[in-house]
Amino acid sequence: DGGITQSPKYLFRKEGQNVTLSCEQNLNHDAMYWYRQDPGQGLRLIYYSQIVNDFQKGDIAEGYSVSREKKESFPLTVTSAQKNPTAFYLCASSIAGTRGRSTGELFFGEGSRLTVL
Amino acid sequence: AQKVTQAQTEISVVEKEDVTLDCVYETRDTTYYLFWYKQPPSGELVFLIRRNSFDEQNEISGRYSWNFQKSTSSFNFTITASQVVDSAVYFCALSAYNQGGKLIFGQGTELSVKP
Repeated sequence: DGGITQSPKYLFRKEGQNVTLSCEQNLNHDAMYWYRQDPGQGLRLIYYSQIVNDFQKGDIAEGYSVSREKKESFPLTVTSAQKNPTAFYLCASSIAGTRGRSTGELFFGEGSRLTVL
Repeated sequence: AQKVTQAQTEISVVEKEDVTLDCVYETRDTTYYLFWYKQPPSGELVFLIRRNSFDEQNEISGRYSWNFQKSTSSFNFTITASQVVDSAVYFCALSAYNQGGKLIFGQGTELSVKP
């Protein structure tokens, strides 16, 4: 079945450590996104990529890094520079609409919950 | 600046009741998209609907209906005859017309439907 797979589902990290969250999609979508969800808040965009080897910062990119070496993969690294990394992280993908821009219909993975000890 | 407000943090209803989830948005763009997503306990968000700003027709899909009113900057979502399976967190979102995947989300409304 087509979809988005995020791993790990749960992750614990000590302060000062970098961690990488995996996101893989087999939907053949061009665009991929990382959102962060905090309790009682909506999702906020961290990074997005509309094409392989290209990505842009979202609203809260500080302390995060990404890569897009393959169409189906968009890993997110939470670095030690991220001051408050405990959150629920959601990866999404979408088809490219007209002029290569997404229509906004995003397909989401089941998320990765990161806890900093 | 763009902003989406869902003033109802939690709503609890009994099965078969109708329930309306409110969504108010702010944007300076004249052309934009509005969305509703559902987040069940499993965690992934599920797309429900997208509306263009130039299309104010109400939409009905089964037990779901959406009321878009530009005059009040609102995009409300009604579930008719609610069911336990409707229990989830529902998010309203907004994007600029040329930035479809960059969504601005509201805080979400947690709906609990009791049998």
